[in-house]
Amino acid sequence: GENVEQHPSTLSVQEGDSAVIKCTYSDSASNYFPWYKQELGKRPQLIIDIRSNVGEKKDQRIAVTLNKTAKHFSLHITETQPEDSAVYFCAASYKKLTFGTGTRLTIIP
Amino acid sequence: KAGVTQTPRYLIKTRGQQVTLSCSPISGHRSVSWYQQTPGQGLQFLFEYFSETQRNKGNFPGRFSGRQFSNSRSEMNVSTLELGDSALYLCASNGGGSYNEQFFGPGTRLTVL
Repeated sequence: GENVEQHPSTLSVQEGDSAVIKCTYSDSASNYFPWYKQELGKRPQLIIDIRSNVGEKKDQRIAVTLNKTAKHFSLHITETQPEDSAVYFCAASYKKLTFGTGTRLTIIP
Repeated sequence: KAGVTQTPRYLIKTRGQQVTLSCSPISGHRSVSWYQQTPGQGLQFLFEYFSETQRNKGNFPGRFSGRQFSNSRSEMNVSTLELGDSALYLCASNGGGSYNEQFFGPGTRLTVL
């Protein structure tokens, strides 16, 4: 089955700096790669996604890149703000979603 | 549109009991997936139902089962509860297309004593 690895598990960045979270997947059939943000005590919320026919997608301060050949994808958050503090999950999907283990991002004011 | 709803939000059970959790998807969504979230294992896929049929299944024992009704509402059942079943159970709905854009409910926090 699909295996998704996510790094780092924790990340602290100064407010205003950029944060990068990286994921690798194993199943070359995976064609959809969403990113979820989960704040403490709340449900995971989709923040951005990318499909396998696209290499990069951007939405304001958030961008995702996909390298199908290397089977890895990354989340980039620029100009970080305190409200970006949360746990971020990557996922890969062919017929079902397989999640990474999560990255706890802390923004230091 | 109303979001995904789950009931109950909190449950406390004892070992050996069974439990049923309920999920109502976004109106018009025909697919419901269930996940178990624990600090140690992260988000683990349990199963997906689409049009009342189980479409995909994760690697959980047979004590975990589910079903979906004609109105797309879904229930998940766990029999013979074990301490390790304590977790946040999340359901997610999507339109059933080829890209699994999932929208999560608030979850049911199950504690097994």
